[in-house]
Amino acid sequence: QLVLTQSPSASASLGASVKLTCTLPSGHSTYTIAWLQQRPEKGPRHLMKVNSDGQYDKGDGIPDRFSGSSSGAERYLTISSLQSEDDADYYCQTWGAGIVVFGGGTRLAVL
Amino acid sequence: QLQVQESGPGLVEPSETLSLTCTVSGGSITSRSYYWGWIRQPPGKGLEWMGSVHSSGTTYNNASLKSRLIISVDTSKNQVSLKLTSVTAADTAVYYCARQSSNWMNWYFDLWGRGTLVTVSS
Repeated sequence: QLVLTQSPSASASLGASVKLTCTLPSGHSTYTIAWLQQRPEKGPRHLMKVNSDGQYDKGDGIPDRFSGSSSGAERYLTISSLQSEDDADYYCQTWGAGIVVFGGGTRLAVL
Repeated sequence: QLQVQESGPGLVEPSETLSLTCTVSGGSITSRSYYWGWIRQPPGKGLEWMGSVHSSGTTYNNASLKSRLIISVDTSKNQVSLKLTSVTAADTAVYYCARQSSNWMNWYFDLWGRGTLVTVSS
């Protein structure tokens, strides 16, 4: 079953770095995922796609502070030099056989 | 610059049909390069994919919505529509329209609307 697992919450200090994780189920470890950001009271925004090789392709206008990587069934979103505007929910999304699945989201608090 | 915007009634009575429209501006909905998807988010909860449609009429729906969901395109109006029948309070959510590549390798949503809140209540 295609299910994405994310930690419900994370926190990091202003100016620091944070690495968020999205885990694919066994049997789906080669899947590509996409990361989305949702600021409070706003619609989601596409950040990037990350494939199983660790290559990532960012969306238009996404700052260099955002990067992606992979290891096995895990896909990562790293945000460096955290800013207050990065305080948001982060979702991963994948797809296959005509279905789309979202992870439960990680609430990132920038302290 | 292409934009998508959702519209529709903010309040729907239980057991009625929820109808929403997504208007695409700054580009053509008939581009073969894209699907158009509906995603919803109940208050305080995560995102749920509802379904996606191509301008050719090809659709993919979330099986959990079974036969309640109809998604279609109106190319003459550059619009995508959503109809959800027999709604209950559990269908209260912000409904988003988003663009999705037609390339199966990149079937993610890269452009989102601002969303529209629909409340199901009598």
